[in-house]
Amino acid sequence: GNSVTQMEGPVTLSEEAFLTINCTYTATGYPSLFWYVQYPGEGLQLLLKATKADDKGSNKGFEATYRKETTSFHLEKGSVQVSDSAVYFCALSDRTGGSYIPTFGRGTSLIVHP
Amino acid sequence: NAGVTQTPKFQVLKTGQSMTLQCAQDMNHNSMYWYRQDPGMGLRLIYYSASEGTTDKGEVPNGYNVSRLNKREFSLRLESAAPSQTSVYFCASSAGETQYFGPGTRLLVL
Repeated sequence: GNSVTQMEGPVTLSEEAFLTINCTYTATGYPSLFWYVQYPGEGLQLLLKATKADDKGSNKGFEATYRKETTSFHLEKGSVQVSDSAVYFCALSDRTGGSYIPTFGRGTSLIVHP
Repeated sequence: NAGVTQTPKFQVLKTGQSMTLQCAQDMNHNSMYWYRQDPGMGLRLIYYSASEGTTDKGEVPNGYNVSRLNKREFSLRLESAAPSQTSVYFCASSAGETQYFGPGTRLLVL
């Protein structure tokens, strides 16, 4: 079956530091890959996605590249802000019958200090 | 355009009580989903509905039932709540691969 593994947190950084959150996946087909973000007390929202190998997804200064050879989709940001403090979920989406069924990682908490 | 809405926001139940969590979306999406989120476990899929009139089990369906009332609404029912069902429940909808989530319902079962 499909699975997503992401680094455990919390990740604690100072403002303007470089961020990497590692994510690797196992899938039988050719899934699309996603990063979702969850701010405190809210539901998840899409941060970025990539639909095929070597695609780069980007949004709000965050980037991730779909690496088929290493089955990875690591999230990076060059300079984090306090407002980036949240939980980040890596996910893949596979089509089963008429629905896309996502598989989520366990989430990585990011804490950014001023 | 409210997106995905969930009611209630918070609920306390006693063991054995029943309740229904409500979810509605106004984006005309075909697919809807119910997840539970537990510390250290990420999101686990309980049930999903590919389209109006169809429902399928996800990873953790035991102890739950669902109803896809119409295209907009997808409810989750706990017939006899147990402390192990204490969790945060999220509803989501999609028209393709991207999921749109509601704000969640925090459920405490004593």
